[in-house]
Amino acid sequence: SQQGEEDPQALSIQEGENATMNCSYKTSINNLQWYRQNSGRGLVHLILIRSNEREKHSGRLRVTLDTSKKSSSLLITASRAADTASYFCATDRVIQGAQKLVFGQGTRLTINP
Amino acid sequence: EAQVTQNPRYLITVTGKKLTVTCSQNMNHEYMSWYRQDPGLGLRQIYYSMNVEVTDKGDVPEGYKVSRKEKRNFPLILESPSPNQTSLYFCASSEQGRGPQHFGDGTRLSIL
Repeated sequence: SQQGEEDPQALSIQEGENATMNCSYKTSINNLQWYRQNSGRGLVHLILIRSNEREKHSGRLRVTLDTSKKSSSLLITASRAADTASYFCATDRVIQGAQKLVFGQGTRLTINP
Repeated sequence: EAQVTQNPRYLITVTGKKLTVTCSQNMNHEYMSWYRQDPGLGLRQIYYSMNVEVTDKGDVPEGYKVSRKEKRNFPLILESPSPNQTSLYFCASSEQGRGPQHFGDGTRLSIL
């Protein structure tokens, strides 16, 4: 079953606005990752945040992690049309003794020009 | 350029006709995996490999086989494809299973 649950499922905003997507999970994690997927293409790794980190930045991306609430958020500032994509969180968990990544179902982000 | 290469990108075939989707990575990664992506179900892991000759089942392994004879290659085999295996398939590699994954561009399979 999918551990990460993204919210909202879909988000549509105007170019230049900020976009915030959330991810909740159920069990303890070592790290949480965010990926982007352009339509029909492979996922691209954006950022990894470890369980002992609270915030991380990469260019226009800001990721926060609240382990007490078991949630993370991805903020994209000053959005551009090229940011239109689906965004997935992935959490690592141990399943039957193996360390694995579990992906959520994603947030579909549309940036309107 | 670091990349994961899948072939073919698109395939339409018929029930029962064996097919192989190839995956190759040039980053010397030990960990490789296969996922399928279906609307409403997200990305589900089919099989993964921690290293050469080491493979294990993911969440949805039924109807699939894999092999890892070389570090760079991790083919996905459908011995007798069925329509419920129509999906978008992704191969991924990483230095370790829980680290950043590098994905291929995907293979869209249609089984008629």
